[in-house]
Amino acid sequence: AQKITQTQPGMFVQEKEAVTLDCTYDTSDPSYGLFWYKQPSSGEMIFLIYQGSYDQQNATEGRYSLNFQKARKSANLVISASQLGDSAMYFCAMNNYGQNFVFGPGTRLSVLP
Amino acid sequence: NAGVTQTPKFQVLKTGQSMTLQCAQDMNHEYMSWYRQDPGMGLRLIHYSVGAGITDQGEVPNGYNVSRSTTEDFPLRLLSAAPSQTSVYFCASSQDSNGYTFGSGTRLTVV
Repeated sequence: AQKITQTQPGMFVQEKEAVTLDCTYDTSDPSYGLFWYKQPSSGEMIFLIYQGSYDQQNATEGRYSLNFQKARKSANLVISASQLGDSAMYFCAMNNYGQNFVFGPGTRLSVLP
Repeated sequence: NAGVTQTPKFQVLKTGQSMTLQCAQDMNHEYMSWYRQDPGMGLRLIHYSVGAGITDQGEVPNGYNVSRSTTEDFPLRLLSAAPSQTSVYFCASSQDSNGYTFGSGTRLTVV
């Protein structure tokens, strides 16, 4: 069975600083995808970044990067130059290309001015 | 292009009442799914469909029914609402495995 662990229920970061949100996963499938979603207070789910299990390089999307360490089964999200608008819940998720996603419990990020 | 549309956005039910949460997508996605979101538990899969006429159960299917008569629509039915079904419900669709498009969610309270 697949499982996602996010051990940080809440995080604080100063505006303009970088922050890392932790995510570890467990799966026996060799092929899988890892995702991060942002959920602001308005409630919608916003896709941020994707990493495939066979990708050789870490994924990047603007200020977001995914620190993928396959041997450690970790897929941490790094947000550079935090902005006040980054304050939200962040969910790590995984699928095994069967299109069913497993989500972690989430990390609430608060960006301080 | 509206994406994934969920209705209603908010609903209050009495225990034992039935209702249908609507979900429609206009992207011709084959795959659709329903999740519920509860505090501290992330999103959990209720039911999913890989195409019209095909549905299957997810992690927490009890108390919910689905059908998929068209590619566009994937309604979720609560036959006899219970307080344990108080949650935020998300519908999502995708065409491949590179991520979902989510609806805006339905906040359901069962009293």
